[in-house]
Amino acid sequence: QVHLVESGGGLVKPGGSLRLSCATSGFIFSDYYMNWIRQAPGKGLEWVSHISGSGNAIYYADSLRGRFTISRDNAKNSLYLQINSLRDEDTAVYYCAREELGAQYYFDFWGQGTLVTVSS
Amino acid sequence: EIVLTQSPATLSLSPGERAILSCRASQSVSSYLAWYQQRPGQAPRLLIYDTFKRATGIPARFSGSGSGTDFTLTISSLEPEDFAVYYCQQRSNWPLFGPGTRVEIK
Repeated sequence: QVHLVESGGGLVKPGGSLRLSCATSGFIFSDYYMNWIRQAPGKGLEWVSHISGSGNAIYYADSLRGRFTISRDNAKNSLYLQINSLRDEDTAVYYCAREELGAQYYFDFWGQGTLVTVSS
Repeated sequence: EIVLTQSPATLSLSPGERAILSCRASQSVSSYLAWYQQRPGQAPRLLIYDTFKRATGIPARFSGSGSGTDFTLTISSLEPEDFAVYYCQQRSNWPLFGPGTRVEIK
């Protein structure tokens, strides 16, 4: 059974940094592209970034490139998102999501999300 | 940049009724469109991809249609658990989600 569990969220001051983690199980992690998708409170979904199974291919949403760094550790079946220079508008639930095999950018399994709150 | 619009913003229906949700793209996304359901406090769930293909475990009452710029998600007979927010998503370039349609109990 596929499981994705995010952690690392919390309350951070503007300008601060945070590293989110996503622990996975129930599938061959290294076979799949993985993504981060966020959702501001009461708002819609915004794709952040994805990384290939090997970690060699990485893409970011144009509006977010520069402060976000996605990475993975296939030995630990884990996905990460480093966020620097946090801003108020980064406040959101951050989901990790698995990309459907053979169907790029469709997200077939999601974690429950971790809440990042940026506030002074 | 492709923009997705969804209509209506809110759909008020009773259990057992048919729900028809619309998603329109500002330019063609071919058939690369998905639908997700998000219940309160939960993560989104993939329902439909490539316009009409049901994801694993999705009931047959959910169906998708359309092509190019106009797409529809139909729920043939609403069950109590179907009252939720529904998002369309295109993958023609980068992943982009629509603003959502809330299906609420009338």
